[in-house]
Amino acid sequence: EPEVTQTPSHQVTQMGQEVILRCVPISNHLYFYWYRQILGQKVEFLVSFYNNEISEKSEIFDDQFSVERPDGSNFTLKIRSTKLEDSAMYFCASSRGAYQPQHFGDGTRLSIL
Amino acid sequence: AQKITQTQPGMFVQEKEAVTLDCTYDTSDPSYGLFWYKQPSSGEMIFLIYQGSYDQQNATEGRYSLNFQKARKSANLVISASQLGDSAMYFCAMREDSNTGNQFYFGTGTSLTVIP
Repeated sequence: EPEVTQTPSHQVTQMGQEVILRCVPISNHLYFYWYRQILGQKVEFLVSFYNNEISEKSEIFDDQFSVERPDGSNFTLKIRSTKLEDSAMYFCASSRGAYQPQHFGDGTRLSIL
Repeated sequence: AQKITQTQPGMFVQEKEAVTLDCTYDTSDPSYGLFWYKQPSSGEMIFLIYQGSYDQQNATEGRYSLNFQKARKSANLVISASQLGDSAMYFCAMREDSNTGNQFYFGTGTSLTVIP
């Protein structure tokens, strides 16, 4: 069964550095999403992406964050000037349509030192 | 107000028995979708079941069924014949379809432990 893949599984970065989290959505899916989950807390929506542009974003998704689909398969989340509080599990998800279930990747655990 | 409320932080169930995990939601939009996800200790998020606000029948997927009570704004997950592998965190989530677009909300989760 096709799945969403995320790399790396664990990223350790110094505070203030930029980090790029990568995702390969399911190939016939058109909608892509990023979520984050701070340890022990609930999953929080960051952004959704469709047709090469952001369709929705939450209050969390400020100027520090950006998303890109640099080619036909990858979907990236860039976090500039990382802060300690950016430490979290970041999940990528994709869905076939806006109203279809979202399938999640295994997540990238981001640790900011 | 919370968009998704899961009032059971932890639940225990005997193997082979059924268990209901509660979820209530808050929206004024007529169009929305409700999801349940399972998160094992390994951390990945696994989609279980989906219910659209206009769906007439309760969703079922194998041992999972969604008890959708629209008037009460509840979307409880029922797991029948529990298995040891069902031990995990379970998250209820909602996609809210407003005039300004779609937003997504997760509950705080319920930790389910299946006892042999």
